[in-house]
Amino acid sequence: AQSVTQPDIHITVSEGASLELRCNYSYGATPYLFWYVQSPGQGLQLLLKYFSGDTLVQGIKGFEAEFKRSQSSFNLRKPSVHWSDAAEYFCAVGERAAGNKLTFGGGTRVLVKP
Amino acid sequence: DAMVIQNPRYQVTQFGKPVTLSCSQTLNHNVMYWYQQKSSQAPKLLFHYYDKDFNNEADTPDNFQSRRPNTSFCFLDIRSPGLGDAAMYLCATSHRTSGGGKETQYFGPGTRLLVL
Repeated sequence: AQSVTQPDIHITVSEGASLELRCNYSYGATPYLFWYVQSPGQGLQLLLKYFSGDTLVQGIKGFEAEFKRSQSSFNLRKPSVHWSDAAEYFCAVGERAAGNKLTFGGGTRVLVKP
Repeated sequence: DAMVIQNPRYQVTQFGKPVTLSCSQTLNHNVMYWYQQKSSQAPKLLFHYYDKDFNNEADTPDNFQSRRPNTSFCFLDIRSPGLGDAAMYLCATSHRTSGGGKETQYFGPGTRLLVL
């Protein structure tokens, strides 16, 4: 069975500093990978996705992620964090053999210090 | 703008009193999903419709049912809510082609259910 691990439950970062959120997955084939962001009391907003091709993916709000097959990772990065980036971030893998069902990681909560 | 809409945003019900949550979409997507998300947890898939075909997850309690009367609308019915059903319920949609392949799920804002 596939799985997604987000090793960091909480991350605190200063406004203007860089941010990297880790995501590791276990999947037999080339995965479909997603990052979603969830603000308190809100639904999930798609930040970016990887299906194939260029392993560096650009998303909304200045985020990017890099697919590294050798490390089974899909880490999310942002060079300069804004206070509005405080939220919960979920990495997910699309399970193609099961109708593209999403398997989510446990999430990383990001706090931004002024 | 094309979107996924959930009403109401907050729902209060009584223990054991049936409740229905609604989801509508203007994306014309053929797949609609319902997720349950408890505090500080990842969303958990309950079931989904691919067109009119209903797909239930193996561990979804019988207390949860769903209806999809047309492409745009999907409902989540909780027949006898218990205290443990208090959660955020998220609806999502995607477009699936007959050959399978790349799908992206788009989520609504969620309905927070409180059971008294």
